[in-house]
Order: sequence, then structure tokens, then C-alpha cells
Amino acid sequence: AQSVAQPEDQVNVAEGNPLTVKCTYSVSGNPYLFWYVQYPNRGLQFLLKYITGDNLVKGSYGFEAEFNKSQTSFHLKKPSALVSDSALYFCAVRDTGNTGGFKTIFGAGTRLFVKA
Amino acid sequence: DGGITQSPKYLFRKEGQNVTLSCEQNLNHDAMYWYRQDPGQGLRLIYYSQIVNDFQKGDIAEGYSVSREKKESFPLTVTSAQKNPTAFYLCASSHDLASGATYEQYFGPGTRLTVT
Repeated sequence: AQSVAQPEDQVNVAEGNPLTVKCTYSVSGNPYLFWYVQYPNRGLQFLLKYITGDNLVKGSYGFEAEFNKSQTSFHLKKPSALVSDSALYFCAVRDTGNTGGFKTIFGAGTRLFVKA
Repeated sequence: DGGITQSPKYLFRKEGQNVTLSCEQNLNHDAMYWYRQDPGQGLRLIYYSQIVNDFQKGDIAEGYSVSREKKESFPLTVTSAQKNPTAFYLCASSHDLASGATYEQYFGPGTRLTVT
């Protein structure tokens, strides 16, 4: 069965420093991988995705993520954090090998705090 | 202005009453989803629909029902059989079928349901 893990409940970083939010996954086939961000009392916003092609994908607001097949990871990164990046981040995976074929599983979320 | 709308934003009901949450999209997306979000648990899939007049149960469908009579609309009914209905409910849609599928989900702003 497909699964996704975000090992850190919370990540703290100083403004201007690089940030990393970790995500690992388990699928039976090839994964489609996504990152979303949620601000308080709002819906999720799509940040970036890996479907195929280059392992390094770039998304909105200066975020990027690297697909690492051997480590089954898809960590979210940003070179220089902003206070406004403080939010809840979700990693999600869809298993293209799953006969259900259609379900996307979300991680539990990682809360990012960026301190000025 | 394209997007997904959910109404109402806040909903209060007495225990034992059924309640219907609205979700409408004008993105021309084929797939639509309902998720429940509880603190510290990420998103859990309630129901999803790939095409009109077809839908499948997600991981926590008990006590919920849906319909998909129009492509644009995917209302969710929380029935009195749902044991713990108080939660934040999120609707989403995606372009999944046919050529040009992009797979990422677009979310509405959510409905916070409180049942007392």
C-alpha cells in the first residue's frame, strides 16, 4: 500500500537561512509526488510536483524539491527562508502502480516556523 | 475568476441532523474529492469522483454520502451516522483524465463544521 511520511512535526529556521522539509514515500509503482502549503483556516495550495523527467523540480515562491528514487524521498527546499513562508506543508504521493490508480495520500504535515 | 468554492465557511448543527456541504468548481476538472482534516492527522479521503455519475469511497466514507450529477458540483452530506463529524472539510478537484492531465489538486477554502 502507498504511504508517505513527514518525519518532522515542526521545522524552525531563521529568516534568510536555507530550509528543508523532509518527505519519504512508499509505493508499488512509479510515484507522482506533490508538495502543498496551507495557511491558517485556508485550503491547500499546490507548490510543485514530480511526475517524470528531471529529478530537481522548481515550483512557486522559490521552492524546489528533489526526487531521489533510491532513498524514496522528495524533500522540499528553499535557499533563503522568509517569515511569510511560515505555514503547514504537506507532501503527497500517488501510486501509478496501484490498481486503485487514483488515490493521493497526504502526509501528516510539517509546520514551518521562520523567525525574523 | 476560476477556482473552487465551498459554502458555507462555518456551519453549526445539532447532533442527529444531516447536513450538506457545497462544493462547486469552474475549472472544467473531471475529478473531484472530499477530505476531512483533523489536527495532527493530515488529510483523509472521504469520497472521490472521476466522472459524472460515478464516485468511490475513500478511507473514511462511513457516515458520509455524495452525489455527482454535474461536472461542476460534488456535494457532501454528513449524516447522523457519522460518529465524530466536527472537523474541517476540504473539497478539491484535478485534471486527471485525457490528454494534458496535470494531476495536482486544487482546493477550496474549506468548511468548518461543528456539531454539538
